[in-house]
Amino acid sequence: QVQLVESGGGVVQPGRSLRLSCAASGFTFNTYAMNWVRQAPGKGLEWVAVISYDGSNKFYSDSVKGRFTISRDNSNDTLHLQTSSLRPEDTAVYYCARSELAGWSARSGPRMLRGGKAFDHWGQGTLVTVSS
Amino acid sequence: EIVLTQSPGTLSLSPGERATLSCRASQSVSSGYLAWYQQKPGQAPRLLIYAASSRAADIPDRFSGSESGADFTLTISRLEPEDFAVYYCQQYDSSPWTFGQGTKVEIK
Repeated sequence: QVQLVESGGGVVQPGRSLRLSCAASGFTFNTYAMNWVRQAPGKGLEWVAVISYDGSNKFYSDSVKGRFTISRDNSNDTLHLQTSSLRPEDTAVYYCARSELAGWSARSGPRMLRGGKAFDHWGQGTLVTVSS
Repeated sequence: EIVLTQSPGTLSLSPGERATLSCRASQSVSSGYLAWYQQKPGQAPRLLIYAASSRAADIPDRFSGSESGADFTLTISRLEPEDFAVYYCQQYDSSPWTFGQGTKVEIK
């Protein structure tokens, strides 16, 4: 069965960096786009970043653009999120989630598959706490 | 960015009752691009409904989704004890993909 397991969370000081990972199994990793979604304590869900199946395209939310970098290693079925210049408002549980993209537009970014299954599998999350 | 507004914020119901949750978009969202998730405390979200009305794998048929104009609805026909949770809608029509703020279904 599909499994996504995040790791790498912890307590970090403002301005520092942290690298999150998501190990995938149970499906053909290199045929799916992958996402990071976060959830601040007691708050709702916020999509953070997406990477295409082959890693050639990436797209970020405005809140993390320029500070976070999404990447993937298809030889090891692993997704990463390199975070830098962390702020207290980045404190959240970070989830990886699988999705299917229909394509990618240079003008408008990623396009999800019409009628597709959105984010159909999620990991259990890893907590990042940014505090001095 | 498309803003999704969910109502009510909290729904207090008894097991066996019907739950109706609403999600309204600030801009047009095609029905092919609206999903609903369930989240229980300490757990990851679980996909319930995609493309507005299609049930995800292993989701009981008491869960259903529908659309009426700009409004999307998640209906739980008869609440089971395990259905008390927070529910989120999500649009994936236009990036950045966005979620509603959630509706908590609690035991009355």
